[in-house]
Amino acid sequence: AQSVTQPDIHITVSEGASLELRCNYSYGATPYLFWYVQSPGQGLQLLLKYFSGDTLVQGIKGFEAEFKRSQSSFNLRKPSVHWSDAAEYFCAVAAGGGSYIPTFGRGTSLIVHP
Amino acid sequence: GAGVSQSPSNKVTEKGKDVELRCDPISGHTALYWYRQSLGQGLEFLIYFQGNSAPDKSGLPSDRFSAERTGGSVSTLTIQRTQQEDSAVYLCASSLAGERHNEQFFGPGTRLTVL
Repeated sequence: AQSVTQPDIHITVSEGASLELRCNYSYGATPYLFWYVQSPGQGLQLLLKYFSGDTLVQGIKGFEAEFKRSQSSFNLRKPSVHWSDAAEYFCAVAAGGGSYIPTFGRGTSLIVHP
Repeated sequence: GAGVSQSPSNKVTEKGKDVELRCDPISGHTALYWYRQSLGQGLEFLIYFQGNSAPDKSGLPSDRFSAERTGGSVSTLTIQRTQQEDSAVYLCASSLAGERHNEQFFGPGTRLTVL
């Protein structure tokens, strides 16, 4: 069965600082990986996704993520955080076996200090 | 174009009452998902519809929960005899097809409070 771990419940950074949010997955083959962002009172919005090709993927709002098969990780990064990036971030994995239902991590809450 | 819409945005009910939550997916999206998001928790999968196939109900927590999707479009999630532990935000998402690489588009959710 597929699973996703986001080890950090909260992350606090200063505006302008770099950011890395961690995501580890458990699945035997190459999964489909996603990062979503949820602003307060809003639904989730896709930031980026990976399913093949270049292991460094670029997303919206200046975010990127790198798939590392050896570490079973798909960490989200941003070189310079803006106050508007404060939100909840979810990593998700969709595996195979006929299942088209992604599994979501518990989320990481990003707090941005001015 | 219009995104996924959900109604009501907020619902307060008394324990033991039934509630219905509605989801209008993006036109043309054949896959529809319901999730539950409790405070401090991730998204808990509830049910998945794909076209005319039988829904995947494997995530429904009890037989008090049910959902239907009429005409391959609008979906209603029904919770009977609500309990306080049902309090959560219920999110609906749709995607083009039941493919694992397809982006899910989420609605803003319905916040359910059971008193």
